Amino acid sequence: NAGVMQNPRHLVRRRGQEARLRCSPMKGHSHVYWYRQLPEEGLKFMVYLQKENIIDESGMPKERFSAEFPKEGPSILRIQQVVRGDSAAYFCASSPSRQARRNPTDTQYFGPGTRLTVL
Amino acid sequence: AQKITQTQPGMFVQEKEAVTLDCTYDTSDPSYGLFWYKQPSSGEMIFLIYQGSYDQQNATEGRYSLNFQKARKSANLVISASQLGDSAMYFCAITHQAGTALIFGKGTTLSVSS
Repeated sequence: NAGVMQNPRHLVRRRGQEARLRCSPMKGHSHVYWYRQLPEEGLKFMVYLQKENIIDESGMPKERFSAEFPKEGPSILRIQQVVRGDSAAYFCASSPSRQARRNPTDTQYFGPGTRLTVL
Repeated sequence: AQKITQTQPGMFVQEKEAVTLDCTYDTSDPSYGLFWYKQPSSGEMIFLIYQGSYDQQNATEGRYSLNFQKARKSANLVISASQLGDSAMYFCAITHQAGTALIFGKGTTLSVSS
């Protein structure tokens, strides 16, 4: 029963390059979330996706960042033209289908994260 | 808007002692869920315990229990019989419905000594 998978675990890019981070949710989970953690801080929400749909991207910077969750394959977080300020840990989480309103939450299970370093 | 406040940047405890990590929250939504996650030095985020706003009983999971005081808007994590492996950063988080973002606090670093 594999958990949430993320790769690569560590990624080094030079300024101006592109970074692609991948996330495979837990089996049976159809919801994927991306979070960013800057050093010494808590996680900040970026984007929430279901298969082939972006549901909420309110936490994602408007420029250079994009995310997708295709019908087949992992979810991808893409950062174009990276800058030093993009250096952070990027976590993916997954949860099963939305539950009824009375039980309002599904636990989000996190992957091990991708540590992005921009030189 | 929802908010989580963790006022203890660091806590120190001896092995086998109990420790309480504080978490207060702010939300205008009557329906919400509270979570605690553990982040060891290796960096992964490990789910510990969940409390729903409508739950009548305080949540418990093994050595973890949640002291949920709704009127005070607090959801403190209690770890009984601390172990060296409990040394980690602990995050409290809130969400108001399934399929929405978790809002995290800044975390508390717990150090357990022998």
